[in-house]
Amino acid sequence: GAGVSQSPSNKVTEKGKDVELRCDPISGHTALYWYRQSLGQGLEFLIYFQGNSAPDKSGLPSDRFSAERTGGSVSTLTIQRTQQEDSAVYLCASSLRAGVHEAFFGQGTRLTVV
Amino acid sequence: TQLLEQSPQFLSIQEGENLTVYCNSSSVFSSLQWYRQEPGEGPVLLVTVVTGGEVKKLKRLTFQFGDARKDSSLHITAAQPGDTGLYLCAGPPNSGYALNFGKGTSLLVTP
Repeated sequence: GAGVSQSPSNKVTEKGKDVELRCDPISGHTALYWYRQSLGQGLEFLIYFQGNSAPDKSGLPSDRFSAERTGGSVSTLTIQRTQQEDSAVYLCASSLRAGVHEAFFGQGTRLTVV
Repeated sequence: TQLLEQSPQFLSIQEGENLTVYCNSSSVFSSLQWYRQEPGEGPVLLVTVVTGGEVKKLKRLTFQFGDARKDSSLHITAAQPGDTGLYLCAGPPNSGYALNFGKGTSLLVTP
């Protein structure tokens, strides 16, 4: 696609449920990032994928969070047993390759845990 | 983690006014980027500055990278309502690949 696409745009879920967030990066971009943006906070790094290399998971806040990237393209961020503090906007970005820092962001998924 | 401090946190001005927002760090960055984020959207890259002392202009926006590559500023001339948004600065880490972001300056320009 022309840009980074994320789905769903909005997700309301009950506390304790699992959610999956999807990101479709720009075609040809080998680097993919997930960030979380909470109200009044900056972008918090979650996880980074580069090609077929092992992902950098150093930003994941707990073992309830996981992500995968299939075929070097689409990525899914999964949050298990959601908590209210997980409510935030989850942003996905892609860049041409590792070391090319200009990132192109999707519109984000607004997650609300009730 | 290399922290990026942005100021002011909030700014509300009238159309036609000039403004400057700042991005400061105690760390040296190889480059810094500025993004603008509008409500309900993801951040959009405005500019990347690479060389200490560099000045880049994008229409009414002027970006400057400090000589020591620890800070940057964004100056907007004759602000317009379309400039409203959250302005974020970001820099690459010393190790790894994920950009470090400041918390942003939220700008409101009223007609």
